[in-house]
Amino acid sequence: EPEVTQTPSHQVTQMGQEVILRCVPISNHLYFYWYRQILGQKVEFLVSFYNNEISEKSEIFDDQFSVERPDGSNFTLKIRSTKLEDSAMYFCASRIRFGQGVYSYEQYFGPGTRLTVT
Amino acid sequence: DQQVKQNSPSLSVQEGRISILNCDYTNSMFDYFLWYKKYPAEGPTFLISISSIKDKNEDGRFTVFLNKSAKHLSLHIVPSQPGDSAVYFCAASQLSGSARQLTFGSGTQLTVLP
Repeated sequence: EPEVTQTPSHQVTQMGQEVILRCVPISNHLYFYWYRQILGQKVEFLVSFYNNEISEKSEIFDDQFSVERPDGSNFTLKIRSTKLEDSAMYFCASRIRFGQGVYSYEQYFGPGTRLTVT
Repeated sequence: DQQVKQNSPSLSVQEGRISILNCDYTNSMFDYFLWYKKYPAEGPTFLISISSIKDKNEDGRFTVFLNKSAKHLSLHIVPSQPGDSAVYFCAASQLSGSARQLTFGSGTQLTVLP
């Protein structure tokens, strides 16, 4: 069964460094998302991407963040200058534009990248 | 931001019995609801969803009920199995723009005792 993959599984970086988190969404999906979960907190939406542009973003997704789909398969999240508070699990998700039913908006998540900023 | 609330952080159930997980929401614009299951060190796994035009959706052992007037949904698992032990997240989305990003609850840890 197709699945979303993410690399690396764990990334340790120093404050102020740039990190790139990578995702390979399910191949026939057209919407791509990044979420994060800080330890002990809820899963939070960061950004959605469709047709090679950002379609929605949250308040968390400030100028330090960017997303890109550099080729037909990868979807990346870049944090330009990491802060301690960026430490979290980052989940990539994807969904097909039209689901199997008329109303079908389920998103499929990858296993996550644990980002630790020291 | 408490638009989606899961008020029970944990639930223990005996194997073979019914598990009922509850979720409340405050945003009346939400029109699609999902349940995800999550094991430690894994991403959320989609379980079942329901549109606001329905009040029930069933898939095998899993049934989701939606009460729009009460802004409440529940997930029933019957019979419960030890492998169902995980954190269960309720999520909701609305048609604002086209992205349909998910708003999650805080999760309920389900433990199914053998």
